[in-house]
Amino acid sequence: AQSVSQHNHHVILSEAASLELGCNYSYGGTVNLFWYVQYPGQHLQLLLKYFSGDPLVKGIKGFEAEFIKSKFSFNLRKPSVQWSDTAEYFCAIKGRSGGYNKLIFGAGTRLAVHP
Amino acid sequence: DTEVTQTPKHLVMGMTNKKSLKCEQHMGHRAMYWYKQKAKKPPELMFVYSYEKLSINESVPSRFSPECPNSSLLNLHLHALQPEDSALYLCASSQEGQVKGVQETQYFGPGTRLLVL
Repeated sequence: AQSVSQHNHHVILSEAASLELGCNYSYGGTVNLFWYVQYPGQHLQLLLKYFSGDPLVKGIKGFEAEFIKSKFSFNLRKPSVQWSDTAEYFCAIKGRSGGYNKLIFGAGTRLAVHP
Repeated sequence: DTEVTQTPKHLVMGMTNKKSLKCEQHMGHRAMYWYKQKAKKPPELMFVYSYEKLSINESVPSRFSPECPNSSLLNLHLHALQPEDSALYLCASSQEGQVKGVQETQYFGPGTRLLVL
């Protein structure tokens, strides 16, 4: 079965703190992994993605994620968060249904950054 | 340009109404998707169209009827909805939607916030 698990449902940080959001997946095929962000009242935006190659992926707004195949993980990191990073973060895996692609999302992590 | 547009932004409808949601993309993508997102939950896939053909229907009730008039447009026709159908409806698009060898990214529109009274 294809699934994504995000361990932290709510995270509260102060500005300048470091961030790491956990994501684990279960999938037997070729892995494509994504992190999306949804700012309050806004639509889903792609933060970064991993298809192949360098397991350390850099995305927009200073975010990065590391694909660790042996741990089935794709954790999101940022060295120093800002108030504007307050948002919901979704990890997703590209699964399949028949011969077609589908995105399977984790439950999401709600991040609140206090000034 | 990675823009997917959706109209309307907000929609309020009664349980006997018929309405439609519209989605448009001009990225040359051949796959389009409808998702439903309830508050504080992740998006849930409803339908996938690939090359204007309905490819995935995630056991969605028939009161939701998708339509793909051409490769740039995707509609979701709504009829006899229930209050529990109130949610944010997201449209997305990607290159082809097919598994074969293509590394794809889905781009999302801003959504239509639907309230069923």
